[in-house]
Amino acid sequence: GDSVTQMEGPVTLSEEAFLTINCTYTATGYPSLFWYVQYPGEGLQLLLKATKADDKGSNKGFEATYRKETTSFHLEKGSVQVSDSAVYFCALSSNNAGNMLTFGGGTRLMVKP
Amino acid sequence: NAGVMQNPRHLVRRRGQEARLRCSPMKGHSHVYWYRQLPEEGLKFMVYLQKENIIDESGMPKERFSAEFPKEGPSILRIQQVVRGDSAAYFCASSPTEGSEAFFGQGTRLTVV
Repeated sequence: GDSVTQMEGPVTLSEEAFLTINCTYTATGYPSLFWYVQYPGEGLQLLLKATKADDKGSNKGFEATYRKETTSFHLEKGSVQVSDSAVYFCALSSNNAGNMLTFGGGTRLMVKP
Repeated sequence: NAGVMQNPRHLVRRRGQEARLRCSPMKGHSHVYWYRQLPEEGLKFMVYLQKENIIDESGMPKERFSAEFPKEGPSILRIQQVVRGDSAAYFCASSPTEGSEAFFGQGTRLTVV
């Protein structure tokens, strides 16, 4: 079945540091890939997505590239802010699974001033 | 257009009681998904419903859990005879069509004491 593996946290960075959160997946067919962010006490918000190989999703300074050859969708940001502190979830949706999402375990990011 | 509304936000139940979680999808959305997030874990798919139909319940526990999405009114996730292990955050998502982006509610945090 489908699965998503992402690096365990917490990840602690200083403000303006470079961020990478690794995500790899296993899926049949050609899934769509997503990054969601969850701020404390809140629901999930879609951060960015990519629907086919080599697509790059980007939003709010974050970006991730759909790499079919390495089955990866790593999240990056060049300069993090304290307000980026949250839990980040990588997820996929298979073409034959309606809109159901398979999530990774989440990575908590803590950014210190 | 209001977002996905879930209520209550917090629910405390004693072991053996019933829990009812409500989800009102965004206006115009007829597809509803329920996910469960156990402490320190990612979200796990539970059930996918369209109006008056259960499309996929492969993630639902076999006993005590049920879900409905009636023609009128919110979607309901019902947990009978709750146990401590049911303590989790339950998230609802909705989408207008099967392949389109799903929007998440803020979740209901169930605590079983």
